[in-house]
Amino acid sequence: AQKITQTQPGMFVQEKEAVTLDCTYDTSDPSYGLFWYKQPSSGEMIFLIYQGSYDQQNATEGRYSLNFQKARKSANLVISASQLGDSAMYFCAMRGLNTGTASKLTFGTGTRLQVTL
Amino acid sequence: GAVVSQHPSWVICKSGTSVKIECRSLDFQATTMFWYRQFPKQSLMLMATSNEGSKATYEQGVEKDKFLINHASLTLSTLTVTSAHPEDSSFYICSAQMAGYNSPLHFGNGTRLTVT
Repeated sequence: AQKITQTQPGMFVQEKEAVTLDCTYDTSDPSYGLFWYKQPSSGEMIFLIYQGSYDQQNATEGRYSLNFQKARKSANLVISASQLGDSAMYFCAMRGLNTGTASKLTFGTGTRLQVTL
Repeated sequence: GAVVSQHPSWVICKSGTSVKIECRSLDFQATTMFWYRQFPKQSLMLMATSNEGSKATYEQGVEKDKFLINHASLTLSTLTVTSAHPEDSSFYICSAQMAGYNSPLHFGNGTRLTVT
């Protein structure tokens, strides 16, 4: 079984500042993938970043970086230089990479980020 | 990038009627698609896994006779909410995955269903 925990229901950050959204996970799969998605108020799910459990380096994609600490089972998303358009719901998700659990994503409860002036 | 198109984006229907939602992968083939349901201010809950050419796999607690899924081709999956009731009102969103173990799921824009 897999479980994703996002303990921050809501976060505020000032424009141009950096913000960290927390995500911890639990899984029995030896290899797994971790994902972050952004959901604006319009509803679509936008893929942001991916981290594989065996990746040696933390993933980065533009202003997004993933602080992956495998021993602590955490995969926090860091957004640098926040912009007003970053205001949205953010979901952490994971899936096992073994047959049978592959592809099926398990989502956390989400964190609502509000970027202020 | 991979594009998943979902239609309609919103629908209002009367109790007792059926509603069909389409999910298409526009620029890639998807042997597997997923249907999620999202209640307001909540996370996405997987309803079923749609497999091309075979029966869908439903999650526990999801009525397969209520939520009919058909994956007729490598680019199209449909979800039909049969005999809809107000409690079926929700946001339904589909997703598809490209080949590759580390490929992300790409989501449609979702369908907001309101049953009156």
